[in-house]
Amino acid sequence: DIQMTQSPSTLSASVGDRVTITCRASQSINTWLAWYQQKPGKAPKLLIHKASTLESGVPSRFSGSGSGTEFTLTISSLQPDDFATYYCQQYNNFFRTFGQGTKVEIK
Amino acid sequence: ELQLVQSGAEVKKPGESLKISCKGSGYSFTNYWIGWVRQTPGKGLEWMGIIYPGDSDTRYSPSFEGQVTISADKSNSTAYLQWSSLRASDSGLYYCARLADFWSGFDYWGQGALVTVSS
Repeated sequence: DIQMTQSPSTLSASVGDRVTITCRASQSINTWLAWYQQKPGKAPKLLIHKASTLESGVPSRFSGSGSGTEFTLTISSLQPDDFATYYCQQYNNFFRTFGQGTKVEIK
Repeated sequence: ELQLVQSGAEVKKPGESLKISCKGSGYSFTNYWIGWVRQTPGKGLEWMGIIYPGDSDTRYSPSFEGQVTISADKSNSTAYLQWSSLRASDSGLYYCARLADFWSGFDYWGQGALVTVSS
């Protein structure tokens, strides 16, 4: 299995802050990476696929970058609706794995 | 409106069998992969496997192969996840989700089905 490691596990930030979450793969996955946002009691929501392609309707303050083994999700100016848990997921082959998640909390 | 609607919460005893469902509507069910994802407090999101309802091609995570069975009934636009003998460690929240296309993420998700296995 390809292992995905996110950092940090928890992030405390204020509205308006620039926030960056990192996801590292145990081997190269090209750009086959997705990012999800999950709020309590809800299913995950797809934000980004192919490392940097924003899904329709996702605010432009979200962006993704990276290739190979290191990837980042950036929120340029944190909004109240963005406090949630974020997961990366690799889909380099049939066997897809998630990172352990990063919880973005209010500072 | 595109929807994935899952069956309800289940409470089972160890050793019992279980089959949960995920009914798709609002799109061509046979043309998109459907996956199953488990969520637990200790392990976060775990990718279990995917099925292509058009031809029932099924792929499992090595962690779940042999532990569960994924199937689909294209006549009923429904995917299934089943266990023949539940264990307490199978407790969790199970989501079905649709792959936007094979080289993408899950773009639509069911509401989740809570499975509790306890004696």
